[in-house]
Amino acid sequence: AQSVTQPDIHITVSEGASLELRCNYSYGATPYLFWYVQSPGQGLQLLLKYFSGDTLVQGIKGFEAEFKRSQSSFNLRKPSVHWSDAAEYFCAVVNSGGYQKVTFGTGTKLQVIP
Amino acid sequence: DGGITQSPKYLFRKEGQNVTLSCEQNLNHDAMYWYRQDPGQGLRLIYYSQIVNDFQKGDIAEGYSVSREKKESFPLTVTSAQKNPTAFYLCASTPRDRLNQPQHFGDGTRLSIL
Repeated sequence: AQSVTQPDIHITVSEGASLELRCNYSYGATPYLFWYVQSPGQGLQLLLKYFSGDTLVQGIKGFEAEFKRSQSSFNLRKPSVHWSDAAEYFCAVVNSGGYQKVTFGTGTKLQVIP
Repeated sequence: DGGITQSPKYLFRKEGQNVTLSCEQNLNHDAMYWYRQDPGQGLRLIYYSQIVNDFQKGDIAEGYSVSREKKESFPLTVTSAQKNPTAFYLCASTPRDRLNQPQHFGDGTRLSIL
């Protein structure tokens, strides 16, 4: 069965510092991977997605993620964090079991300090 | 602008009462989904529908029911059989139930017990 692990429940970074959020997945075939962001009391917004091809994908708001098959990882990065990036971030993997079954990680809550 | 509208934003349920959460989309999407979000648990799939008049149970369907009489609408009923309904409920949709389609989310309904 597919699974997604986000090992960091909560991360605090200073504004302007770099950010890396970790995501490890378990899936037998080539995965379809997504990163979403959720502000408090809101729905999820897609940041970026990976299906195939270039393993470094660019997303909105200056985020990027790198797919590493050998490490089963899809870590999210941003070179310089802004206070508005404070939110919860979810990694997700999609399977091929007859319908679009999306498995979400448990999320990483990002706090940005001045 | 097209999107997904969930209402109400906050809902309170009394013991033994059924309540219905509304989800309407004007994106002309075929597939729609209901998720439950609890702190620290990510999103869990309750029900999904790939086409009008058809829907399937997700991972945690017990105590919930849905209907899909119109393409635009996918209401979720939380029945009295759901003993722990307090959670944040998210509705999502995709153009087709395809693996490479990211899900679009509404802003959620927070359900609490009175």
